[in-house]
Amino acid sequence: DTGVSQNPRHKITKRGQNVTFRCDPISEHNRLYWYRQTLGQGPEFLTYFQNEAQLEKSRLLSDRFSAERPKGSFSTLEIQRTEQGDSAMYLCASSLDRVAEAFFGQGTRLTVV
Amino acid sequence: AQTVTQSQPEMSVQEAETVTLSCTYDTSENNYYLFWYKQPPSRQMILVIRQEAYKQQNATENRFSVNFQKAAKSFSLKISDSQLGDTAMYFCAFMDIIQGAQKLVFGQGTRLTINP
Repeated sequence: DTGVSQNPRHKITKRGQNVTFRCDPISEHNRLYWYRQTLGQGPEFLTYFQNEAQLEKSRLLSDRFSAERPKGSFSTLEIQRTEQGDSAMYLCASSLDRVAEAFFGQGTRLTVV
Repeated sequence: AQTVTQSQPEMSVQEAETVTLSCTYDTSENNYYLFWYKQPPSRQMILVIRQEAYKQQNATENRFSVNFQKAAKSFSLKISDSQLGDTAMYFCAFMDIIQGAQKLVFGQGTRLTINP
């Protein structure tokens, strides 16, 4: 296993378009997190899955954002009707249990033009 | 809500020197974890060191050590014998292990540059 994998690495989209990102966690990890990181800032929590259940969502996650983790394996994060303010790095992390180390992917950098 | 503050946006030291990065946090919880993460220019976040709040002994990992002052809510990172590969953004992070998702709450980061 090569760690947490995120695709695509970069995405440029026009305002108003929909985009979808994918995260493949480390295979035995049952916890999966999405964070958003804007330039010069620390990551901010967006949402969390334990297996296939989405257990917590941040107020940052507007109704244009939706995340899924079917079958408790990979996860997708979709942004509908993108806005320029959505431009950021979207990071995925996974961990084995509630206090284990979180392993991060390299992120997907989204640019909305 | 918990908050994490890193008051040093940037730091720069010479190779082989020792550098200390500061972090303070605010919480009403008694049981939690604190972390330092490193984010090199390639952007993948890597765990540097972890401290459990119930442990009085400061965590150490090779050249990296922390000074954990629970009463003062302070958690600084010391890097000894700094190396060029230590150049990165460093983020202090808090995790409440009792409630909710056990998500990480990050500070704003400190950009550390090690000069040859």
